[in-house]
Amino acid sequence: AQSVSQHNHHVILSEAASLELGCNYSYGGTVNLFWYVQYPGQHLQLLLKYFSGDPLVKGIKGFEAEFIKSKFSFNLRKPSVQWSDTAEYFCAVTQGDSSYKLIFGSGTRLLVRP
Amino acid sequence: KAGVTQTPRYLIKTRGQQVTLSCSPISGHRSVSWYQQTPGQGLQFLFEYFSETQRNKGNFPGRFSGRQFSNSRSEMNVSTLELGDSALYLCASRDTGTNNEQFFGPGTRLTVL
Repeated sequence: AQSVSQHNHHVILSEAASLELGCNYSYGGTVNLFWYVQYPGQHLQLLLKYFSGDPLVKGIKGFEAEFIKSKFSFNLRKPSVQWSDTAEYFCAVTQGDSSYKLIFGSGTRLLVRP
Repeated sequence: KAGVTQTPRYLIKTRGQQVTLSCSPISGHRSVSWYQQTPGQGLQFLFEYFSETQRNKGNFPGRFSGRQFSNSRSEMNVSTLELGDSALYLCASRDTGTNNEQFFGPGTRLTVL
């Protein structure tokens, strides 16, 4: 069965620090990749997505992610975090024709200290 | 456009009862998916409806069921509630004309006592 792994469960950073959150998936076929964010008390929002083309994807709020097919990875990055980035981040995958079924990683809680 | 709406936002039930949750998708979206979010299991796919038909179901017992109406609104039902059903239930809608992006509602927080 396909799975998504997020290796960092909790990350604490100071403002202006750089961020990289790891995400690996296990499926070898065609995949679509997503990063969602859940701010405290708010609903899940899409940060960015990859379907095809340029493996470096830019999303909202200065986030970007790079799809490395050979490593089955889709890591999320931001050069300089802000206190308002404190949230939980979820990597997710859909596979092949099952485009409606998101398979989520366990999430990474990010705390940014001012 | 209004976002995905879910009602009620909070619900408290006791073991053995049943519950119905409602989801109204974004206008024009015909696909509605349901997910369960718990601290232990994370976000798990329950099922997806498109044009009033369930297209797939996740690994949940038959106590979990759903349906979709002709206006694309969806309901999810859980019968014979168990303590472990306490969770945040999320609904997501998708415009099948675009590439797979799902928009999530705020969720219904179900507590089973």
